[in-house]
Amino acid sequence: NAGVTQTPKFQVLKTGQSMTLQCAQDMNHNSMYWYRQDPGMGLRLIYYSASEGTTDKGEVPNGYNVSRLNKREFSLRLESAAPSQTSVYFCASSKGGQPQHFGDGTRLSIL
Amino acid sequence: TQLLEQSPQFLSIQEGENLTVYCNSSSVFSSLQWYRQEPGEGPVLLVTVVTGGEVKKLKRLTFQFGDARKDSSLHITAAQPGDTGLYLCAGKAGNTPLVFGKGTRLSVIA
Repeated sequence: NAGVTQTPKFQVLKTGQSMTLQCAQDMNHNSMYWYRQDPGMGLRLIYYSASEGTTDKGEVPNGYNVSRLNKREFSLRLESAAPSQTSVYFCASSKGGQPQHFGDGTRLSIL
Repeated sequence: TQLLEQSPQFLSIQEGENLTVYCNSSSVFSSLQWYRQEPGEGPVLLVTVVTGGEVKKLKRLTFQFGDARKDSSLHITAAQPGDTGLYLCAGKAGNTPLVFGKGTRLSVIA
């Protein structure tokens, strides 16, 4: 059982570069989420998708865009990376309600 | 903005000891979740509590939701090294997204 799969696991970018973080789940879950985790800040919600075809902003959406490509996949895009976006990014999914299953994260450093 | 305060921030104990960690807020939550996160991995959902005063047990872990649904506690009996990790609480209020606390980092020494 793969659960929630995130790619890449590690990435280093230069300021101003763009990239897309990929997330896929194989549990037929309706809801998917993107969080960032920073030291001393806990997990903060960036965007979520309650169902295929819908996306909503979370607590810290600025500088990010998302696409719910289909029921399985939910991607997070940084159009112009900034050092403040250095973080560990987690994707999660659930049948509905609250996130149940998390991926193992993408560790992103922006120089 | 709801805030969830977790205490203690760090806890180091010997194998076999008991411990309690706390999650407090001034907000009322419709549900509260506890997660455990190990280094290099994502959080794993342990339990969801929804009713004030509710107590749930998961092997040696006992979770309690406060009567007023503003606070919760996690008690571990006879801690083992495998219990080491970051324990996160997260609360849901109304239509707002889930809010996470900053976590309690537990180290159980053999």
